[in-house]
Amino acid sequence: NAGVTQTPKFQVLKTGQSMTLQCAQDMNHEYMSWYRQDPGMGLRLIHYSVGAGITDQGEVPNGYNVSRSTTEDFPLRLLSAAPSQTSVYFCASVQQGATEAFFGQGTRLTVV
Amino acid sequence: GQQVMQIPQYQHVQEGEDFTTYCNSSTTLSNIQWYKQRPGGHPVFLIQLVKSGEVKKQKRLTFQFGEAKKNSSLHITATQTTDVGTYFCAGKTSNTGKLIFGQGTTLQVKP
Repeated sequence: NAGVTQTPKFQVLKTGQSMTLQCAQDMNHEYMSWYRQDPGMGLRLIHYSVGAGITDQGEVPNGYNVSRSTTEDFPLRLLSAAPSQTSVYFCASVQQGATEAFFGQGTRLTVV
Repeated sequence: GQQVMQIPQYQHVQEGEDFTTYCNSSTTLSNIQWYKQRPGGHPVFLIQLVKSGEVKKQKRLTFQFGEAKKNSSLHITATQTTDVGTYFCAGKTSNTGKLIFGQGTTLQVKP
């Protein structure tokens, strides 16, 4: 099993550009989440999903969209990138009824 | 909304000294989890506490969950250079995948 796979690992965007951060898991986990990590701020929840077709907002959802058309994939879309979205993004998945969240390797995004 | 606060933000210790990080939630938690993130890496699950007053040990690491299920602590005895990293607590208020993380405590260990 590959676990949780995030692509790309690094990305530089210009202000106003759009892009999609990909997240895929092959563990058949129902729950998937996106976090951003900034110095001194810890991991802040952006959006999460409890299953295919169901998504909800986390702590910092503004500027981000998500969808969950399949159990495996949970892409995060930036419609119009801003410098404030410069961060490290982590995707995580959890099996229903289980405890441990599995994280991807992260995407380091810089918006200039 | 639910908030999880963690202190201190940074801790520098001499190898062999003890280390403690504290976690406080604004709401009662159904459980609390602890994760470790090595520099440049991703968070990795350490443990989950569920019961009020629960104490669990993993070798030199001791985890506690408060009686009111609103606070928790991680204590490392006799730190080693391999303990370097950022330790996060994360709380759940319901049986969903929604985990709210604290700000993390970054531990530096001087050999």
